[in-house]
Amino acid sequence: SQELEQSPQSLIVQEGKNLTINCTSSKTLYGLYWYKQKYGEGLIFLMMLQKGGEEKSHEKITAKLDEKKQQSSLHITASQPSHAGIYLCGADSGSNYQLIWGAGTKLIIKP
Amino acid sequence: SAVISQKPSRDICQRGTSLTIQCQVDSQVTMMFWYRQQPGQSLTLIATANQGSEATYESGFVIDKFPISRPNLTFSTLTVSNMSPEDSSIYLCSVTFTGAGQPQHFGDGTRLSIL
Repeated sequence: SQELEQSPQSLIVQEGKNLTINCTSSKTLYGLYWYKQKYGEGLIFLMMLQKGGEEKSHEKITAKLDEKKQQSSLHITASQPSHAGIYLCGADSGSNYQLIWGAGTKLIIKP
Repeated sequence: SAVISQKPSRDICQRGTSLTIQCQVDSQVTMMFWYRQQPGQSLTLIATANQGSEATYESGFVIDKFPISRPNLTFSTLTVSNMSPEDSSIYLCSVTFTGAGQPQHFGDGTRLSIL
């Protein structure tokens, strides 16, 4: 079965600095989704990637899917306190629209 | 996109009791999912709520403990029955539209604590 490994597990970054979160799959990715979760709340959809080499950006967040479609990265430029939260990656399981989830990366922004 | 209203947002319950969580969507959706997220953990799928038929449960989850209703294309409920402290979690409802590459959209979750 497919597994998603996220790294790092947690990250403390000084405000204004850049950071990268990775999501690695044990199998080829056919749809990779990035979400953000604030503590104790629901998930907010950020971006979806499908094609090898694809890159998408929204405000200061850029997500990429490698050419082999087994790894994705989420890059935040000039981090702000509003970026703090838990970032999760999810992948199409190929079964009934279900997603397989990574364990999440907890991001803390230091002022 | 979809606007999802999940109620209650939080509750504190006594062990042995049951709680029903509601998920209301502002548009008709094909797929509705119920997840559990234990403290510090990722999401675990409980079941897929099917309109007009019984829910499809994942391994480790049974209908007697987590009965689900899906009376129409915009509404579903999850009941957590005979609760114990181990049921303390965040419960999340999500929906998706059919078609390739459609993301899941989530409600704000229900934070449940069992005393």
